[in-house]
Amino acid sequence: GENVEQHPSTLSVQEGDSAVIKCTYSDSASNYFPWYKQELGKRPQLIIDIRSNVGEKKDQRIAVTLNKTAKHFSLHITETQPEDSAVYFCAASTGRGSTLGRLYFGRGTQLTVWP
Amino acid sequence: DAGVIQSPRHEVTEMGQEVTLRCKPISGHDYLFWYRQTMMRGLELLIYFNNNVPIDDSGMPEDRFSAKMPNASFSTLKIQPSEPRDSAVYFCASSTKSGVSNQPQHFGDGTRLSIL
Repeated sequence: GENVEQHPSTLSVQEGDSAVIKCTYSDSASNYFPWYKQELGKRPQLIIDIRSNVGEKKDQRIAVTLNKTAKHFSLHITETQPEDSAVYFCAASTGRGSTLGRLYFGRGTQLTVWP
Repeated sequence: DAGVIQSPRHEVTEMGQEVTLRCKPISGHDYLFWYRQTMMRGLELLIYFNNNVPIDDSGMPEDRFSAKMPNASFSTLKIQPSEPRDSAVYFCASSTKSGVSNQPQHFGDGTRLSIL
């Protein structure tokens, strides 16, 4: 099955700096890549997603890039704020076959933004 | 839309007791997922359903765990008998598919389970 690796496991940045979280995947058939943010004691919430026919997607301070050849995708947060502090999860999905509908999650990155 | 609804939000029970967690997916969603989250193991997929049929239960830890989806708007995850190592946050999520593309999974608020 698909294997998603996520790095780093922890990331500390100063407020206003940028943060980058990277993920790799193993199945070249994967075509959907969402990112989730989970604040302490809360549920994971989708913050942005990208499909394999797109190389980059932006939403205000958040952007995601996808390199299909290298099988990796990244989350970029610019002008970080303390409220960005949370655990971020990447995921991948093939959207077909026996794993249809399933997301394979990375282990998560604890992001801390210091004021 | 009310989102994915889970109950109870918190459950504290003694070892050996039966525990039943409940989930109502978003209306119209045909996929339902049960996850377990712990500090040690992260977010683990236990089982998922498509159109009320279990597709993959390979993540269910052992026979003490069972899950059902009797209809499109309700699912249960049961642990019998419960053990302290089952203590975790259990999330339910639902999604749908558009053509050949998956759509985002939407998570419920989770059930925080403590087995004493």
